[in-house]
Amino acid sequence: ETGVTQTPRHLVMGMTNKKSLKCEQHLGHNAMYWYKQSAKKPLELMFVYNFKEQTENNSVPSRFSPECPNSSHLFLHLHTLQPEDSALYLCASSQGGDQPQHFGDGTRLSIL
Amino acid sequence: SQELEQSPQSLIVQEGKNLTINCTSSKTLYGLYWYKQKYGEGLIFLMMLQKGGEEKSHEKITAKLDEKKQQSSLHITASQPSHAGIYLCGADPSGTYKYIFGTGTRLKVLA
Repeated sequence: ETGVTQTPRHLVMGMTNKKSLKCEQHLGHNAMYWYKQSAKKPLELMFVYNFKEQTENNSVPSRFSPECPNSSHLFLHLHTLQPEDSALYLCASSQGGDQPQHFGDGTRLSIL
Repeated sequence: SQELEQSPQSLIVQEGKNLTINCTSSKTLYGLYWYKQKYGEGLIFLMMLQKGGEEKSHEKITAKLDEKKQQSSLHITASQPSHAGIYLCGADPSGTYKYIFGTGTRLKVLA
């Protein structure tokens, strides 16, 4: 039981494709996050939204475009990705910055 | 920028053995989180430590934050195969939602 649902679980796309990752949280949290997890590297924070407003963009390339229509939903739009973008993309939510985060199971993204 | 270093990077233990995982920060921590991750899945929150010297336990897992608040340890007593996974420490150094994480410790428990 996670409370944070991510779809799809797996995604394979070519470098010229456009796709979107979706995240939904049922916990009533006000903050939502996107992370990238690559092999043998620390979890990298990409974007933070607090009450639907983007409060952090951690120098993420513009080929990743986040969208947060409300406090429960978060999207990551992908276009013209590179092979090095292949990774596990995790969504999380929290009730405040001093509270633990709850994570979804991630989307495993492979770029051909 | 603040970093979290975990040790060891990987650990293989026999079922029933005790083990300790460490997380060291380059700066004072104002809160530290421990998570567990199974391969290919999301992180599961284990414990949060906020005060120097604080210690918390959940079932057979105990986590401590040292008095200087720069090091935390996670101790598993009488390990079981269900404890296998990747353990990560995380923190929000500035309290502005900019979380950082350690590189993780991969634990394998042999039955």
